[in-house]
Amino acid sequence: GAVVSQHPSRVICKSGTSVKIECRSLDFQATTMFWYRQFPKQSLMLMATSNEGSKATYEQGVEKDKFLINHASLTLSTLTVTSAHPEDSSFYICSARADTGAEFYEQYFGPGTRLTVT
Amino acid sequence: ILNVEQSPQSLHVQEGDSTNFTCSFPSSNFYALHWYRWETAKSPEALFVMTLNGDEKKKGRISATLNTKEGYSYLYIKGSQPEDSATYLCAPGYFGNEKLTFGTGTRLTIIP
Repeated sequence: GAVVSQHPSRVICKSGTSVKIECRSLDFQATTMFWYRQFPKQSLMLMATSNEGSKATYEQGVEKDKFLINHASLTLSTLTVTSAHPEDSSFYICSARADTGAEFYEQYFGPGTRLTVT
Repeated sequence: ILNVEQSPQSLHVQEGDSTNFTCSFPSSNFYALHWYRWETAKSPEALFVMTLNGDEKKKGRISATLNTKEGYSYLYIKGSQPEDSATYLCAPGYFGNEKLTFGTGTRLTIIP
């Protein structure tokens, strides 16, 4: 149980285009999901907390107009990188917290998406 | 910004040997500490969650301890096997804040 999928796993796009990444909880409902970004040799940096039915909460320094988050249902959150530039190239990973049974803020992770902007 | 440190950053261990590594974190307002194992090309997998000072959790050959007063946790692996090769992440959570803050991880490589 507690499986989170993420799609696509890899994407290459041209500078100036937008890219959408999907995060799905497959066997549980998740009102709250999280989006992280990992820079080389660094930790997972929280970008935003995604809440079903309300606006996402962005961390300081993360541009909300650049990284659009939509939590359309209890099992799906999407992250859209708008007008992507090479500096947006990174590894993006999502996690979800189960609405029931989650202990002490436990999060279940997707496998991540490697974004390369050319 | 919370400072969560893990050491060492990387570690090479001979198969069969035991090893341990450290996570240190701010102790004020502490709620819970999570350990995750992250294998290449897979999702990070939850190993343990600990909340009480002196907690010790065990899963097979892997165990962890927690000191909430001084803000550190140790992860131990006994009799390392190749399948233990992974990055081990710790993440404390704090009261009143649903977020977890991740350390940079310890990258463990088991040498056959």
